[in-house]
Amino acid sequence: AQSVSQHNHHVILSEAASLELGCNYSYGGTVNLFWYVQYPGQHLQLLLKYFSGDPLVKGIKGFEAEFIKSKFSFNLRKPSVQWSDTAEYFCAVNAPRLGYSTLTFGKGTMLLVSP
Amino acid sequence: DTEVTQTPKHLVMGMTNKKSLKCEQHMGHRAMYWYKQKAKKPPELMFVYSYEKLSINESVPSRFSPECPNSSLLNLHLHALQPEDSALYLCASSQSGRQRETQYFGPGTRLLVL
Repeated sequence: AQSVSQHNHHVILSEAASLELGCNYSYGGTVNLFWYVQYPGQHLQLLLKYFSGDPLVKGIKGFEAEFIKSKFSFNLRKPSVQWSDTAEYFCAVNAPRLGYSTLTFGKGTMLLVSP
Repeated sequence: DTEVTQTPKHLVMGMTNKKSLKCEQHMGHRAMYWYKQKAKKPPELMFVYSYEKLSINESVPSRFSPECPNSSLLNLHLHALQPEDSALYLCASSQSGRQRETQYFGPGTRLLVL
């Protein structure tokens, strides 16, 4: 069965600092990888996704992620965070189960950006 | 339009009540999902419907009963719940339920069982 591990449960940064959130997955086959964000009181929104091709994926709001197959990693980055990036970030892997699409989420990283 | 709507936003129910959660999407998606999210935890898959057929049930207790009346609608019927069932219930949809698809999530129904 697939699993996802996020390295940090909580991250606190000042505005303009650079961000890197770690994500490692465990699955032997072809995977699709996602980062979702959940702003306080709001629903899960897709930040970016990797299906195939260029391992460096760009998403919304200046986020990007790099898929490194040899390390089973899909780390999220942003060069300069803003206060509005305060949210919970979930890495997820989509691997087929019984032929159907299922998402397995990591435990999430709560990012707090101080102004 | 990538909107999934859920009603109600909040629900408080007693352990003997029967209630239903509703989810709707108009993206033409043929797969719909129920997830449960406890506070400060990631979403956990409960059910997958593909082409109105229940495809995956993650060993969810029978007090949760899903229903997919048509391709746009997904219900979750609740009966005799326990306080530990209090959580955010999220609905999602995707194109057909196969791999290489993005799931789009609704805002959720926050359920409190007293």
